[in-house]
Amino acid sequence: QKEVEQDPGPLSVPEGAIVSLNCTYSNSAFQYFMWYRQYSRKGPELLMYTYSSGNKEDGRFTAQVDKSSKYISLFIRDSQPSDSATYLCAMSAGGANSKLTFGKGITLSVRP
Amino acid sequence: DVKVTQSSRYLVKRTGEKVFLECVQDMDHENMFWYRQDPGLGLRLIYFSYDVKMKEKGDIPEGYSVSREKKERFSLILESASTNQTSMYLCASSTRLPQETQYFGPGTRLLVL
Repeated sequence: QKEVEQDPGPLSVPEGAIVSLNCTYSNSAFQYFMWYRQYSRKGPELLMYTYSSGNKEDGRFTAQVDKSSKYISLFIRDSQPSDSATYLCAMSAGGANSKLTFGKGITLSVRP
Repeated sequence: DVKVTQSSRYLVKRTGEKVFLECVQDMDHENMFWYRQDPGLGLRLIYFSYDVKMKEKGDIPEGYSVSREKKERFSLILESASTNQTSMYLCASSTRLPQETQYFGPGTRLLVL
């Protein structure tokens, strides 16, 4: 079993839709959870960051972590064509010099 | 504003050539990382460095080496480029704090012919 599994894509939705992106993981030591957004031919940029379980909201974006189920989600409300990108989940156990473990990414297309 | 820069956006090299990819960060970060990104395989860690002159192998170090002579600069070296090293190469940096995440450069798209 891979350490981090991310829903395969691609995903295409109409503008204004609510988007749900998900990752599951197997390492119970993970406690820092991130979502990166990567536009075509660019490097990933940090979108959302959550420590341990719970929800975090930033504008139209909500990150959710359920450590008991080893499941994290990113919700995008009122999706826009500018949200079209690849979304990667990432997580780490913390500790000095800890590495990130990434999901493979899912490509989202928001149709006008 | 955080800044990670990579020396080239696009690079075309011949099989057998020695290739240098340079990464510079201006955030005084201790940690630096090199990844490659391929369709269907996601981001894979090649090498990372926790400090000047220190390096650690990542998940796929074969065919690569690295150099970190200064804190802000981390170089990836392909000793003898091969076609299967055609990929997008991404550099990242971070602090040592466990709650700090990684900041990525724009990437170098390398084509080996």
